[in-house]
Amino acid sequence: NAGVMQNPRHLVRRRGQEARLRCSPMKGHSHVYWYRQLPEEGLKFMVYLQKENIIDESGMPKERFSAEFPKEGPSILRIQQVVRGDSAAYFCASSPNTGGKTEAFFGQGTRLTVV
Amino acid sequence: DAKTTQPTSMDCAEGRAANLPCNHSTISGNEYVYWYRQIHSQGPQYIIHGLKNNETNEMASLIITEDRKSSTLILPHATLRDTAVYYCIVGESNTGKLIFGQGTTLQVKP
Repeated sequence: NAGVMQNPRHLVRRRGQEARLRCSPMKGHSHVYWYRQLPEEGLKFMVYLQKENIIDESGMPKERFSAEFPKEGPSILRIQQVVRGDSAAYFCASSPNTGGKTEAFFGQGTRLTVV
Repeated sequence: DAKTTQPTSMDCAEGRAANLPCNHSTISGNEYVYWYRQIHSQGPQYIIHGLKNNETNEMASLIITEDRKSSTLILPHATLRDTAVYYCIVGESNTGKLIFGQGTTLQVKP
């Protein structure tokens, strides 16, 4: 059973471009979470999705950021018109169910660098 | 904000037990205590979680006080590869999202 797969592992974008980060959850997991870790800081929750639904996006910046988890395919975190402050490691986690009773498994992250 | 407080850093001698404390005095009755660790810049790694009973797995033991206001993660025989930032997290019972604090940086020394 493959773990949570994120790609690309490293992404370089120029200011103003779009960044698309992909996350394939573990097999059988229908809950996906995205977290961001700025340099030298802790992880911050961004968004929680189930298939085709955004459940909690309280940690997402209001502009330029969006996330989806379609019925088929990976979850996508999309950042439009990137700025230098978006440079960070973005981690995806998945779990088989919610309710705070089960652990979440994390991917190895996508390191976004905006130049 | 994180619902836990942990010491900023700790040292442990290789081969000895590492005991990492965590306070979560505002924990609700249906919230679990989770421990994760992050080695260097890798993705966080799940260690263990519990509700009220003590738990043990191949990685660690989790001791939760009877009033559930604090807990201790025990790595029975720390190795150099256990050097990492350890996060104690109270999981939201309705969403499962994790609110990370600053964690404890554990340095295992030879």
